[in-house]
This record gives sequence, C-alpha cells and structure tokens, in this order.
Amino acid sequence: DVKVTQSSRYLVKRTGEKVFLECVQDMDHENMFWYRQDPGLGLRLIYFSYDVKMKEKGDIPEGYSVSREKKERFSLILESASTNQTSMYLCASSITGGGETDTQYFGPGTRLTVL
Amino acid sequence: GNSVTQMEGPVTLSEEAFLTINCTYTATGYPSLFWYVQYPGEGLQLLLKATKADDKGSNKGFEATYRKETTSFHLEKGSVQVSDSAVYFCALSDRNDYKLSFGAGTTVTVRA
Repeated sequence: DVKVTQSSRYLVKRTGEKVFLECVQDMDHENMFWYRQDPGLGLRLIYFSYDVKMKEKGDIPEGYSVSREKKERFSLILESASTNQTSMYLCASSITGGGETDTQYFGPGTRLTVL
Repeated sequence: GNSVTQMEGPVTLSEEAFLTINCTYTATGYPSLFWYVQYPGEGLQLLLKATKADDKGSNKGFEATYRKETTSFHLEKGSVQVSDSAVYFCALSDRNDYKLSFGAGTTVTVRA
C-alpha cells in the first residue's frame, strides 16, 4: 500500500512564525502536491513538484514556498504565518506513467491554527 | 480553465436509503474523472475513477458514469450504511500536467 505521512496532525503557531510542514511518501512517486482544504472551497493546489529540486506554483502559492531535496520528501514552508493561513493542509503523491499518473494518494492532513 | 461543480450539502439520510451526489465539470480537453472520499479525521481516499466517456467506475457499492454529453459524473449508491458517512469530493485531472481540480465537497451523514 502507498503510504503518505505528514509530520504533524495538529499544529498551533503564532502570527509571524516560520512554519514547516513535512510530507514523506514511501512508494518512489515522482509527483508530489500540497493542497489546503477549507469548508465550502474544496481542495486548492498550493504547489507541486514533478521531480527532485523541481517545483511549480499551483492556484494559490502566495505566502508559501516549498522544498524538495529528496524524492520522497516534500516540504511546505510558511515564511511568516498569518491568521488567514489557518487551514487543513493535505499532501499527496502520484506516479508517472503506467496509466496511474493522475491517481493521487493523500496523507492524513495537518490542521494548522495560526493565532 | 477546468472546474468542478458538485451539489451542496449537507446531505442526511437514513440507513438503506438511496444516495446520489451530482457532479458536473468544465474542461478544455478530455479529463479523467474521480470521486474521493474523506472519512472523519482522515485524508482523502480514491473511491472510484473513470478515464473516458461512458466508462463506469465502481467500488464499495458506489457507481459513477462518465457522461461526456452532459459533462457529468454523478455518484450513486443504492443502499447506504452508517459507515458511508463522510465528505465526498468530485475531481478531474488535466492529463497535460496531472493536476487535480476538486469540487467543494459534499458532507453525507447516514443515520441508523
């Protein structure tokens, strides 16, 4: 089974803090994604990565950055957390090719509260 | 651009009732279509998918048919159980870059 893990289930930070959310997948997937989930808005893509050291902006990248130094790990960084970044953050991964490229596997999510 | 519209919730049903969640999409190409489910306190899991017109995806008693003429992918289950209580997301993928576009999600509660 594909396993995607996220470093924390719940996180509370203060405005202005630098926040790191970590995601690790164990299936050698090339593609990794960060979403935020808000009620009534579904999931919105923040950033994604097709390969190590490669990143592309999603639909709502403002206020976020990412890092992918190793294939299995994709980090989301909030440089200076703000209250409007309080949300559920979901990481996902997918493989390239073999007819399964567009099937994404999700981690359990990190519920971040910024005070 | 690509977008997905699904019926608003919440939906509350009794056990053994029929469930349908409407989903329509707008896409520039020929997307794959998905239903994901999120059980309380968990991440999203793939429920079913369809990759071309007239394909039917099915899993755990749920079904959805890819209708290109009506740009729809409605989710149905004939007899729901309490364990089906969850949030259901319709999604489509842009095959050019493998990104997913999600609907807003529909919360379903099944009462015993």
